[in-house]
Amino acid sequence: DQQVKQNSPSLSVQEGRISILNCDYTNSMFDYFLWYKKYPAEGPTFLISISSIKDKNEDGRFTVFLNKSAKHLSLHIVPSQPGDSAVYFCAASGGYGSRLTFGEGTQLTVNP
Amino acid sequence: NAGVTQTPKFQVLKTGQSMTLQCAQDMNHEYMSWYRQDPGMGLRLIHYSVGAGITDQGEVPNGYNVSRSTTEDFPLRLLSAAPSQTSVYFCASSGRGTADTQYFGPGTRLTVL
Repeated sequence: DQQVKQNSPSLSVQEGRISILNCDYTNSMFDYFLWYKKYPAEGPTFLISISSIKDKNEDGRFTVFLNKSAKHLSLHIVPSQPGDSAVYFCAASGGYGSRLTFGEGTQLTVNP
Repeated sequence: NAGVTQTPKFQVLKTGQSMTLQCAQDMNHEYMSWYRQDPGMGLRLIHYSVGAGITDQGEVPNGYNVSRSTTEDFPLRLLSAAPSQTSVYFCASSGRGTADTQYFGPGTRLTVL
């Protein structure tokens, strides 16, 4: 039972354009959502998060949108840069401490 | 401040062998966890701990043991390695709150032959 799903294994965009990564969840108990970025041979690093009481959170080039009724969140990167090329994981928590449930990940490639 | 450290970085085992993956953090975090990353499956929680002396199972605990005798250390033991345990293992730590950021170690790449 995959409670957090990222349906796109990969995404390719041109430098300077917008990257949109999507994530769906099924568990209504989730109340906090995060995006992590992972480069090869490194551990995931925290990128941005959003609480369920908000529908948008912005940090520089990164914006996360949350649609609770659709159980859907998305990460927008504008403008995309080659250094953004990485695997992006969506994660959710709720109900008990910091236990996270991750999606499968999306490989983003930003072409110069 | 080293953050979360993991040793070894790489390990090759034969089926049936046992070993311990080490994880340590110097941020005085209460919450620590172990994940495995497999292609197309994201990160799956193996075991976690909300404080010294307290551990619990995650999503895929079979074949693994943990203990938490100190706040800093959270070792993961493979009791009898199997090829299905070939994976990349990540340790993470954070405060106990839902909104606390989890910090990940660099990972251990394990191959079981």
